[in-house]
Amino acid sequence: LAKTTQPISMDSYEGQEVNITCSHNNIATNDYITWYQQFPSQGPRFIIQGYKTKVTNEVASLFIPADRKSSTLSLPRVSLSDTAVYYCLVGDKADSGYALNFGKGTSLLVTP
Amino acid sequence: NAGVTQTPKFRVLKTGQSMTLLCAQDMNHEYMYWYRQDPGMGLRLIHYSVGEGTTAKGEVPDGYNVSRLKKQNFLLGLESAAPSQTSVYFCASSYDPGGRTDTQYFGPGTRLTVL
Repeated sequence: LAKTTQPISMDSYEGQEVNITCSHNNIATNDYITWYQQFPSQGPRFIIQGYKTKVTNEVASLFIPADRKSSTLSLPRVSLSDTAVYYCLVGDKADSGYALNFGKGTSLLVTP
Repeated sequence: NAGVTQTPKFRVLKTGQSMTLLCAQDMNHEYMYWYRQDPGMGLRLIHYSVGEGTTAKGEVPDGYNVSRLKKQNFLLGLESAAPSQTSVYFCASSYDPGGRTDTQYFGPGTRLTVL
């Protein structure tokens, strides 16, 4: 599994855009990049997934540069309810043996 | 459509006792997983299953056993509980056996304390 590095914690005010960057220098050709969100006392929830360039859905955007050695999760205009832990995962299901390496994630705190 | 459910939500055991955690999914998913999450840590895979009747070890399988007798259920057993198994246990399931990527759907978790 490719190793990922992301900040331990981030703080933001309501209404701001939050960008969380994940480094994955040894990403393999077949690897996809996936982000999950976990609220306290709940299981993780899928947010977004991409392979290259930019992916956008109703929740977030994912920016992946050409070399794919990093990725940035962008949350537009965060609210208090976006306070959660965000996990960056990199892997290819066939290579990883179905295991997801969640790491410690980035704890985002949104305040008024 | 309840998604992934876990039973029980909370449990307190004494060292040496046994118990079974039940995970059920109603999405007809092929794959199911058991993770544990310790305070301040990410999730670690205990065991997983790629289909009815199959199981495989994950990252931290010692002290646990699993069974997948029915497609919709995945059971996690602790034969002789130890304080080190105090944790929050999450079950997940996913569907896409043919693709290279997958999305896992998680249950609400079971908080287990071993005294």
